[in-house]
Amino acid sequence: GDSVTQMEGPVTLSEEAFLTINCTYTATGYPSLFWYVQYPGEGLQLLLKATKADDKGSNKGFEATYRKETTSFHLEKGSVQVSDSAVYFCALSDRGGGSEKLVFGKGTKLTVNP
Amino acid sequence: GAGVSQSPSNKVTEKGKDVELRCDPISGHTALYWYRQSLGQGLEFLIYFQGNSAPDKSGLPSDRFSAERTGGSVSTLTIQRTQQEDSAVYLCASSLAGRAQETQYFGPGTRLLVL
Repeated sequence: GDSVTQMEGPVTLSEEAFLTINCTYTATGYPSLFWYVQYPGEGLQLLLKATKADDKGSNKGFEATYRKETTSFHLEKGSVQVSDSAVYFCALSDRGGGSEKLVFGKGTKLTVNP
Repeated sequence: GAGVSQSPSNKVTEKGKDVELRCDPISGHTALYWYRQSLGQGLEFLIYFQGNSAPDKSGLPSDRFSAERTGGSVSTLTIQRTQQEDSAVYLCASSLAGRAQETQYFGPGTRLLVL
């Protein structure tokens, strides 16, 4: 079945550091790929997405590129802020599966220190 | 407009009791999903509704779990004879039509604790 593997962390960085969170996937079809974020005490919200190969999703300074050849969707940010401290989830939704449900990675907790 | 709402926000129950969790999706969204978030298992899919039908129930962990959706809107997830392993945060999400490329919008969740 479909699956998502992401680095589990926790990851601790200083403000203005570069961030990479690795995400790879296995899918039977042609999935759409997502990064969701959960800030402390808040619900799950979409950070960015990409729906076809070579698409780049971006939001709030975060970027991720859909790489079909390496089945990857790594999240990057050039300069993190304290406010980026959260748990980040990589996810896929596979077309043709009947429900297009989200399959999530286990999440990566990021802490950014001032 | 309003986002996805869920009630109650917290529920504490005793082992063996039944509980009902409610989800009110974004108006006009035909697709509705239930997920469960727990420390040991991460985020798991439970059930998917398209309108009032549930074409994918593959994630329901046992026959103690059931869900329904009425009027193409509100959904209720029922857990019968609750067990301690049912303790988790139950999340509801909705999307416009259930296509893979669509964003799923999540509610704040119901935190269930079974004593």
